[in-house]
Amino acid sequence: AQSVTQLGSHVSVSEGALVLLRCNYSSSVPPYLFWYVQYPNQGLQLLLKYTSAATLVKGINGFEAEFKKSETSFHLTKPSAHMSDAAEYFCAVSDYFGNEKLTFGTGTRLTIIP
Amino acid sequence: SAVISQKPSRDICQRGTSLTIQCQVDSQVTMMFWYRQQPGQSLTLIATANQGSEATYESGFVIDKFPISRPNLTFSTLTVSNLSPEDSSIYLCSAGQGSIGELFFGEGSRLTVL
Repeated sequence: AQSVTQLGSHVSVSEGALVLLRCNYSSSVPPYLFWYVQYPNQGLQLLLKYTSAATLVKGINGFEAEFKKSETSFHLTKPSAHMSDAAEYFCAVSDYFGNEKLTFGTGTRLTIIP
Repeated sequence: SAVISQKPSRDICQRGTSLTIQCQVDSQVTMMFWYRQQPGQSLTLIATANQGSEATYESGFVIDKFPISRPNLTFSTLTVSNLSPEDSSIYLCSAGQGSIGELFFGEGSRLTVL
């Protein structure tokens, strides 16, 4: 079965600093990988996705992620954190058949320090 | 895109009773899913709601405890039966429109069982 592991349940960065949220995947076949964001009291929203095209994927709100097969990683980054980035971030992988069913990581809560 | 509305947004229920959560999508979708998000944990897929037929349940979830209906392409219900405090959680409805891994989520229904 496919799975994702998010390192760090809580990450704090200063406003303007680099954001780095880590995600490693386990898959016996090329995976489809996703990052979702959940703002307080809201549903999850797709941030970006990797589906075997370009390895560097750009998403909304200035976020991007790089698929590294050699490291089985799909880390999420943003060059300069903004207060509005405070949220919970989930890495996810689609199942073997590449359909819409997702398996989520445990999430990383991002706090921005003014 | 799709906008998903869930009702109720929150409820407090007594042990042994049942709660039915409604999920309405503002456009036709191919797939609908129900997830559970327990406090401090990630999202766990309960089942895929199939239109006009029985839902497909994930390991550890059974129809008697979590009956699901999907009478048409835009509406589904999840019932959590014979409630116990362990069922206290956020239940999320999600839907896809055929693009791999791109799911839209409702804001969730927060259930507290006393």
